[in-house]
Amino acid sequence: KAGVTQTPRYLIKTRGQQVTLSCSPISGHRSVSWYQQTPGQGLQFLFEYFSETQRNKGNFPGRFSGRQFSNSRSEMNVSTLELGDSALYLCASSFSASSYNEQFFGPGTRLTVL
Amino acid sequence: KNEVEQSPQNLTAQEGEFITINCSYSVGISALHWLQQHPGGGIVSLFMLSSGKKKHGRLIATINIQEKHSSLHITASHPRDSAVYICAVRRPIGGGADGLTFGKGTHLIIQP
Repeated sequence: KAGVTQTPRYLIKTRGQQVTLSCSPISGHRSVSWYQQTPGQGLQFLFEYFSETQRNKGNFPGRFSGRQFSNSRSEMNVSTLELGDSALYLCASSFSASSYNEQFFGPGTRLTVL
Repeated sequence: KNEVEQSPQNLTAQEGEFITINCSYSVGISALHWLQQHPGGGIVSLFMLSSGKKKHGRLIATINIQEKHSSLHITASHPRDSAVYICAVRRPIGGGADGLTFGKGTHLIIQP
């Protein structure tokens, strides 16, 4: 079974631009969660989608948004990029949105904002 | 104060030593996860616990719900165990669960 894939793996943008990151979950998994990892703040939860519906959202500004498609693939978008948005963005998939499901992480997209 | 605290932050040990990493949390949880992150960023889920104890190979994870504490043990440690180990919890909300809340991680180095 193929693992979680994220594209692109690396991205360089400038302040004010917007970016879209993509995540393809493990086949059969319907829940996708997104996380941001920075040296200062560590790992932080962004949002979780299940069956095309956002179930949870972390404490991030509205510039961060996401969506999930009917095939469970998910995208996240960051508009009006700021220097502080430079981070590793990870997605994780699980079979369902239950607390008791293991999450499988993708390799991440490393975003650099100049 | 962080909702999830890990100790120690850094740990250097010799190959073969028994390793213990601790995680304390201050909120009610539905599940606790132990994750491993190698240089380069890839994260692997090691355990998901809601009670008791789990074992996988040389790794053992325990959780005490009443004391809001979990430990990750590595027996017969090996240099390939060198990584950052991260504790994360999910809180119950409504009829489901919140997103993962993470500890800051424990940076483990096993020297040959």
